[in-house]
Amino acid sequence: NAGVTQTPKFRVLKTGQSMTLLCAQDMNHEYMYWYRQDPGMGLRLIHYSVGEGTTAKGEVPDGYNVSRLKKQNFLLGLESAAPSQTSVYFCASSYSQVHEQYFGPGTRLTVT
Amino acid sequence: KQEVTQIPAALSVPEGENLVLNCSFTDSAIYNLQWFRQDPGKGLTSLLLIQSSQREQTSGRLNASLDKSSGRSTLYIAASQPGDSATYLCAVRKGAGNNRKLIWGLGTSLAVNP
Repeated sequence: NAGVTQTPKFRVLKTGQSMTLLCAQDMNHEYMYWYRQDPGMGLRLIHYSVGEGTTAKGEVPDGYNVSRLKKQNFLLGLESAAPSQTSVYFCASSYSQVHEQYFGPGTRLTVT
Repeated sequence: KQEVTQIPAALSVPEGENLVLNCSFTDSAIYNLQWFRQDPGKGLTSLLLIQSSQREQTSGRLNASLDKSSGRSTLYIAASQPGDSATYLCAVRKGAGNNRKLIWGLGTSLAVNP
């Protein structure tokens, strides 16, 4: 099993550009999450999904959109990137909301 | 509001030492607590999950304890090795229903020197 995979691993965007980060999991997990990790601020939840076709807002959802069209995939979109969105983005999945979360390797995004 | 604090922020020890990492939380009404390891430039790996009804969990050289009444958890690493060098994060889960979110500490950066 590959576990949780993320693409791309690195990306540099200019302000105003758009992009989509892809997360895939092969563990048949219902729950999927997108986090961002910034120095001195810890991990913050952007959006999450409790199952195929569902999405919900986390702590810091502004400027991001998500979609969960297939159970194994969770997409994070930035419609108009801003320098404040420079961060490392992690995707995670879990069997339920109280079970362990399994993380992907992360995407390092720089917005100039 | 639930806050999670990890002390110390950084720790450097010689190989072979037993060590303790601390995690404290302000609200004792938690569902469970999870310890993670993060290697530089990589994702997080779950180490141990302790339910609120449990006092401790063990995995190999790792032992995590939970004292809800005092709002503390400790991660004990026995006979530390250079390969244990990483950042260790704790996260508590509280809430109810579909709103049980993880609240994260900032981590302890551990360096084990050969």
